[in-house]
Amino acid sequence: SQKIEQNSEALNIQEGKTATLTCNYTNYSPAYLQWYRQDPGRGPVFLLLIRENEKEKRKERLKVTFDTTLKQSLFHITASQPADSATYLCALDDNYGQNFVFGPGTRLSVLP
Amino acid sequence: NAGVTQTPKFRVLKTGQSMTLLCAQDMNHEYMYWYRQDPGMGLRLIHYSVGEGTTAKGEVPDGYNVSRLKKQNFLLGLESAAPSQTSVYFCASKDSSGNTIYFGEGSWLTVV
Repeated sequence: SQKIEQNSEALNIQEGKTATLTCNYTNYSPAYLQWYRQDPGRGPVFLLLIRENEKEKRKERLKVTFDTTLKQSLFHITASQPADSATYLCALDDNYGQNFVFGPGTRLSVLP
Repeated sequence: NAGVTQTPKFRVLKTGQSMTLLCAQDMNHEYMYWYRQDPGMGLRLIHYSVGEGTTAKGEVPDGYNVSRLKKQNFLLGLESAAPSQTSVYFCASKDSSGNTIYFGEGSWLTVV
């Protein structure tokens, strides 16, 4: 069966450290993978997209990797700040980009 | 630019009542989606539309109906609400040639 998993439901780290979130999937062949941020009581907001032929993508303090052999994406936030505290969702394109399937999310808390 | 707007934001229904959630987008997007989000389950696709006059079932369509009479609007209907439909509902839209999904702020529905 098809499945998307994110490494943990919650992750606590100290301010200034690098947060690493994991997204694993089975029985999908996505052309690209996306990461979204969701704050409490709000809708998800797009952060980054990485295509199947890209190994790494960066945007400011964010870095995403995509390994289609391992069927895994890693999402890194360097020099983390309390303002980075949120739930982070990974999403895969499905049905030739018409639909998107989301992981359950990881709730990140950056402690001052 | 309002983006994706959902109404109502909060609603309490009695079991067996019916209601309609309205989603409106002002970005001229072809694709529109309705998701529900439950604790530990992540975002699950209910129904989607790839253009005006079209609708298709997602992962969890039972108990819901949708209509896309106008390109900018996507309505989600509950004909006979059940407590299992207590959830947060998110509408989203996407341009057919783009990859980014834009979400509304959510509609909190409680069925008692």
